[in-house]
Amino acid sequence: AQKVTQAQTEISVVEKEDVTLDCVYETRDTTYYLFWYKQPPSGELVFLIRRNSFDEQNEISGRYSWNFQKSTSSFNFTITASQVVDSAVYFCALSGAGSYQLTFGKGTKLSVIP
Amino acid sequence: DTAVSQTPKYLVTQMGNDKSIKCEQNLGHDTMYWYKQDSKKFLKIMFSYNNKELIINETVPNRFSPKSPDKAHLNLHINSLELGDSAVYFCASSQRRGYNEQFFGPGTRLTVL
Repeated sequence: AQKVTQAQTEISVVEKEDVTLDCVYETRDTTYYLFWYKQPPSGELVFLIRRNSFDEQNEISGRYSWNFQKSTSSFNFTITASQVVDSAVYFCALSGAGSYQLTFGKGTKLSVIP
Repeated sequence: DTAVSQTPKYLVTQMGNDKSIKCEQNLGHDTMYWYKQDSKKFLKIMFSYNNKELIINETVPNRFSPKSPDKAHLNLHINSLELGDSAVYFCASSQRRGYNEQFFGPGTRLTVL
């Protein structure tokens, strides 16, 4: 069975602070894929990143960066110099190779205060 | 331009009614999905279709019946609506299973009174 745990239910930061959202996963698959999605207050789900289990390189995209560590089964997401527009619920998700199922964590609600 | 679209965006109805939600994707994807997001924001897959064939049915009551007339469409029909069906329902699609990210529609907020 697959499981994704996002232990932080809610986080509040002041604008321009850095913030890290934690994601820990469990899977028996040797090949799997990890994802982050953003759900802003408007409600849509926006894809942010996909990582496969063979690629542990960290990824940076503007103010966003992701740290994938197989040894700790974690795929953490850092926002640098947070902005009010970053306020959203962020979901980490996991899919096994060949699986039709995307297993989501319960989400972390991030509030960035001006 | 819309990649995955759903109609309606809002649906308010009485208990016991039957309703449908439509979903269309213009991405040429083979696989489509329905998810339910409850009031605590928890997202759970309900159904997955690959090339019009049902792949996953995650212990969803049989009052919920998906229909895929072609691989660009996946509709969700709900019979005898109950209060507990109130949620946001998301349609999604992906190029193929597992590897590819899923693209989500805007969601349909269903309220059962």
